[in-house]
Amino acid sequence: AVQLTQSPSSLSASVGDRVVITCRASQGIRHDLMWFQQKPGRAPNLLIHGATTLQGGVPSRFSGSGSGTDFTLTISSLQSEDFATYFCLQDAFYPYTFGQGTKLEI
Amino acid sequence: QVQLVQSGADVRKPGATVKVSCKASGYSFSSYGITWVRQAPGQGLEWMGWINPYNGNTNYPENVQGRITVTADTSSTTAYMELKNLRSDDTAVYYCARGGGGDYLDYWGPGTQVTVSS
Repeated sequence: AVQLTQSPSSLSASVGDRVVITCRASQGIRHDLMWFQQKPGRAPNLLIHGATTLQGGVPSRFSGSGSGTDFTLTISSLQSEDFATYFCLQDAFYPYTFGQGTKLEI
Repeated sequence: QVQLVQSGADVRKPGATVKVSCKASGYSFSSYGITWVRQAPGQGLEWMGWINPYNGNTNYPENVQGRITVTADTSSTTAYMELKNLRSDDTAVYYCARGGGGDYLDYWGPGTQVTVSS
């Protein structure tokens, strides 16, 4: 199975900061990567699909980049509502696999 | 609007079977897959399987293969996830999501808490 390694596992930041989260795949997965945001007690919310495409309704401060094995999620200017846990998911190969998550804290 | 409504919380004993439902509305049910994901307490997300409601094709990870069955009823636009021979480490919130099989997971159900306890 493809392993996805996210870093960092946790991150402290402030409103207005620029934040970068990385996701590295154990083998090439083309552009077949999604990013999700999850808040406590809630279902995950799709932010990015196809590694770079912003899902409708998601603020433009979120962006994704990368292909092959190395991917990044960037939040250009943190807002208070962005403090949450972020996960990457690869859908290039079965079984689909998630990264272990990055908890973004104030 | 697209909605996925899941069945309520369930408590089962070890060795028992649980069946979680996911009622879809607001889109053509046969045109998108349904993916199941679970999250154990305080843990990350785990992909549990996928079904194409149009033809019934499924795919499961090896760690639950043989214990899990995902089905879809196009007449009621409802997908089901059945997990047999439950263990304590199956305690988790189980989510269904629209997509998989090449489509992104764009709509999610609210989750169903399954607790396995003697």
